Amino acid sequence: ELKVEQNPLFLSMQEGKNYTIYCNYSTTSDRLYWYRQDPGKSLESLFVLLSNGAVKQEGRLMASLDTKARLSTLHITAAVHDLSATYFCAVDPRNYQLIWGAGTKLIIKP
Amino acid sequence: SAVISQKPSRDICQRGTSLTIQCQVDSQVTMMFWYRQQPGQSLTLIATANQGSEATYESGFVIDKFPISRPNLTFSTLTVSNMSPEDSSIYLCSAGQFTYEQYFGPGTRLTVT
Repeated sequence: ELKVEQNPLFLSMQEGKNYTIYCNYSTTSDRLYWYRQDPGKSLESLFVLLSNGAVKQEGRLMASLDTKARLSTLHITAAVHDLSATYFCAVDPRNYQLIWGAGTKLIIKP
Repeated sequence: SAVISQKPSRDICQRGTSLTIQCQVDSQVTMMFWYRQQPGQSLTLIATANQGSEATYESGFVIDKFPISRPNLTFSTLTVSNMSPEDSSIYLCSAGQFTYEQYFGPGTRLTVT
């Protein structure tokens, strides 16, 4: 059974700090996705990582993928309050049918 | 990118009734999917909506309970049949092309009483 594990599941941090969310998965996958969800809202695509060693950055967020270790990270640099949200990773083992992690609820305190 | 709309945005339904959720995409897309998300929880894939053929259901979901239609490349419906309180959830439609991006609709928040 394919499992996608995120940690931590909850993270409270101060503005200006750096932190990393981890996403481990249990089988091979062609693609790794990161999404953001604000309370009561739908999901916003952040990154799609397509190959081993892929690194993508947007603003204060940077995602990387290590397919050999079956690990992706989402790194937050100098966090700001606007980044407070729930972050999900998802893997695509077949035909774009995504399997999701449990989500990391991130609260950034001013 | 694709812009996805869903109707209704929310509904409160009585046990034993059915609700049909509509998903409209602003452009033709190859793939459409239906997900369920319990509040505060992760997403679970219900099925892939196939254009011109029967939907492909994930383990634990059956056509009699969640019939899906996809008459063309921009539209799909999900029906939640014979509802019970356990069906209370957020139902999300997503769409994508073979460019790997998947876009999500705003969701339908269903409460069954």
